[in-house]
Amino acid sequence: AQSVSQHNHHVILSEAASLELGCNYSYGGTVNLFWYVQYPGQHLQLLLKYFSGDPLVKGIKGFEAEFIKSKFSFNLRKPSVQWSDTAEYFCAVNANQAGTALIFGKGTTLSVSS
Amino acid sequence: NAGVTQTPKFQVLKTGQSMTLQCAQDMNHNSMYWYRQDPGMGLRLIYYSASEGTTDKGEVPNGYNVSRLNKREFSLRLESAAPSQTSVYFCASSWGDLDTQYFGPGTRLTVL
Repeated sequence: AQSVSQHNHHVILSEAASLELGCNYSYGGTVNLFWYVQYPGQHLQLLLKYFSGDPLVKGIKGFEAEFIKSKFSFNLRKPSVQWSDTAEYFCAVNANQAGTALIFGKGTTLSVSS
Repeated sequence: NAGVTQTPKFQVLKTGQSMTLQCAQDMNHNSMYWYRQDPGMGLRLIYYSASEGTTDKGEVPNGYNVSRLNKREFSLRLESAAPSQTSVYFCASSWGDLDTQYFGPGTRLTVL
């Protein structure tokens, strides 16, 4: 069965610090990869996604993620975080086969202090 | 476009009571989903509907039933609520089951 691991449960940064959130998945075949963000009190919103092509994907609000197939990883990065990036971040994966479900990681809470 | 809407936003139930959570989408999506979100657990899929007329169990279906009423609407029913069902419930929809999912605002349910 597929699984998704997010290494950091809670990350605390100061404004302007760089961010990298780890995500690893277990599935040997072709995958679609997503990062979602949930701001306090809000619903999940898509940050970025990877289906195929350039493994470096750019999303909204200056976020990017790199798919490294050999490491089964899809880490999220941002060079300089802002206070408004305080949120919970979820990595999600589905196998590129019809009928398979989207599997979410347990989430990483990011707290940014101003 | 409203996207994905859910009602109610909040609900408190007593153990054993029943209720139905409603979800509707106006994006003409084929697939719809129900998740529950619990602290430290991420989102777990309860049921999904790949297309109108079909429903399938997800990771945590016990204690729930669903109905895909039409292409727009997908409801989740708790027949006999239990405290373990206290959670935040999210509905989502997508074009197909491999595509980006769009989420509703959630229903916060407390079962006493």
